Amino acid sequence: DADVTQTPRNRITKTGKRIMLECSQTKGHDRMYWYRQDPGLGLQLIYYSFDVKDINKGEISDGYSVSRQAQAKFSLSLESAIPNQTALYFCATSGGVGQPQHFGDGTRLSIL
Amino acid sequence: GEDVEQSLFLSVREGDSSVINCTYTDSSSTYLYWYKQEPGAGLQLLTYIFSNMDMKQDQRLTVLLNKKDKHLSLRIADTQTGDSAIYFCAETESWNRDDKIIFGKGTRLHILP
Repeated sequence: DADVTQTPRNRITKTGKRIMLECSQTKGHDRMYWYRQDPGLGLQLIYYSFDVKDINKGEISDGYSVSRQAQAKFSLSLESAIPNQTALYFCATSGGVGQPQHFGDGTRLSIL
Repeated sequence: GEDVEQSLFLSVREGDSSVINCTYTDSSSTYLYWYKQEPGAGLQLLTYIFSNMDMKQDQRLTVLLNKKDKHLSLRIADTQTGDSAIYFCAETESWNRDDKIIFGKGTRLHILP
């Protein structure tokens, strides 16, 4: 079983809809991250969380919100989806300062 | 702010060595990483090196670090078709609580027959 699981893997939706992407992990890590990936732009950090009560904005948090429901779960919401949020979204976890991040397989999100 | 730069594409013949280069700007970098992304998958950690090391070897992979020039390279010996992927260079500082990892934009490795 995957250590970092993202659901759904693919989602097509319409402009204005609210969408939630979910991430769960079995690695026991405190730190969790949400990124989006666009072709040619690499990875951009949306939000990150160091524990359940510690949530921080990344470089492109506008239009997104997150919830850390438990140590193992970190969800990303798009309150009112717009087409330029079409991208590949990744969740990652880390065991601590300087530790490498471990990624889920991603959610491909298309907004029409 | 910190930046990590890498070329976007590299083509290599099967059986040759691939060398993917990366430069970074943060002189406080203490950990440098190489990740591999295959189609339809997330980023997989390949290897990482501490800034007090010059070289790390792991089977077909060799990482070289020139800290003075802030240059990191990944050499893949005897490149195979399964090595076709996007390779990301990344760095972070170990002493910083907000240890965000800074990623390059990725180098797409294409294997020629």
